[in-house]
Amino acid sequence: GAGVSQSPRYKVAKRGQDVALRCDPISGHVSLFWYQQALGQGPEFLTYFQNEAQLDKSGLPSDRFFAERPEGSVSTLKIQRTQQEDSAVYLCASRLTELNTEAFFGQGTRLTVV
Amino acid sequence: AQSVTQPDIHITVSEGASLELRCNYSYGATPYLFWYVQSPGQGLQLLLKYFSGDTLVQGIKGFEAEFKRSQSSFNLRKPSVHWSDAAEYFCAGGPRSNTGKLIFGQGTTLQVKP
Repeated sequence: GAGVSQSPRYKVAKRGQDVALRCDPISGHVSLFWYQQALGQGPEFLTYFQNEAQLDKSGLPSDRFFAERPEGSVSTLKIQRTQQEDSAVYLCASRLTELNTEAFFGQGTRLTVV
Repeated sequence: AQSVTQPDIHITVSEGASLELRCNYSYGATPYLFWYVQSPGQGLQLLLKYFSGDTLVQGIKGFEAEFKRSQSSFNLRKPSVHWSDAAEYFCAGGPRSNTGKLIFGQGTTLQVKP
């Protein structure tokens, strides 16, 4: 596609509910990143994929957060048993190769846990 | 610990006036440095980046930034601000080993007065 696409754009979840957020990177992009942006804050790194391999998950805040990219293209960020502190915008970014320097960001998914 | 700091949370300038947004970084080694802009409901758009070489870098939309190693700064400037520049601006730094794993500042909200 023309850019990084994320869906849904908005998600309201009841506390305790599981959610799945989808990211479609730019076609052919090898690297994929997830970030969490709390209200009024800068984005914070969550996890990084190179193709289907999750090379860095150091930013995932708890074991309730899980990300996958099984075929090296689309990625899903799953949050189990959502809590109010999970409310944030979740941003996905992709990069063509490891040698490239620019990552392109999607518009994000705004998650509100009530 | 690695960090990126944007000292100014909110800045208001008059249209046509010059602009400087401050950014300071703390890294063990010189990181790659970026400036992004985010409009409401939008993803992050890259304005410019510094990797090496000339310490004055030019970006899109008439923006420039200067890397100053002695001051650990990477301030963003624009000689004449337009009303459409009103947005949130993020400075970010990334390790040379993985330019997609970024540490973002808290952001500076720019308001432009007519």
